[in-house]
Amino acid sequence: ELKVEQNPLFLSMQEGKNYTIYCNYSTTSDRLYWYRQDPGKSLESLFVLLSNGAVKQEGRLMASLDTKARLSTLHITAAVHDLSATYFCAVEKNRGSTLGRLYFGRGTQLTVWP
Amino acid sequence: NAGVTQTPKFQVLKTGQSMTLQCAQDMNHEYMSWYRQDPGMGLRLIHYSVGAGITDQGEVPNGYNVSRSTTEDFPLRLLSAAPSQTSVYFCASSRTGAAGGIQYFGAGTRLSVL
Repeated sequence: ELKVEQNPLFLSMQEGKNYTIYCNYSTTSDRLYWYRQDPGKSLESLFVLLSNGAVKQEGRLMASLDTKARLSTLHITAAVHDLSATYFCAVEKNRGSTLGRLYFGRGTQLTVWP
Repeated sequence: NAGVTQTPKFQVLKTGQSMTLQCAQDMNHEYMSWYRQDPGMGLRLIHYSVGAGITDQGEVPNGYNVSRSTTEDFPLRLLSAAPSQTSVYFCASSRTGAAGGIQYFGAGTRLSVL
């Protein structure tokens, strides 16, 4: 069974600061996703990382993937209050009967304060 | 552009009652899935389907049934509700195959079992 671990689970940071969220997974995977969830809302896709060394950036968020280390990072640059949300990484295995199945981390609850 | 539609948005049940959570998508996606989200647990897969007539169990299938008679619809049935099934339920859909793709989530159903 594929295990996905995120850390930290809770992150409180000041506006303007930088920080990184880490996502480790236990076995070889095919794709890695980052999602954002606002309180009481659904999940919104942020990034899809398909191969080793992949890097995606959108605004103040940058995601990267190291398949050899089984590690993805979500880096936050110069945080602003609007980034306050819970961030999930999810790993997909695309082999045989588990086609398309996602394994989620527990999420990182980010709070950005002035 | 409806995407993934879930009904109802909120539901309160008594222990032992049965009900069906509805999920429909209009993107012609082959892959559909049901997750439950509990505080601090991330999302856990209940059941999934890779196409009409094909379903399989996820991580936490006990107490739930699914069927997939059409590409568009993937209802989740609670056979005899228990307080442990109090949770937020999300339906998601995506393409399958080598192209794969992002899973799109519905708005969620918040279920309380008394």
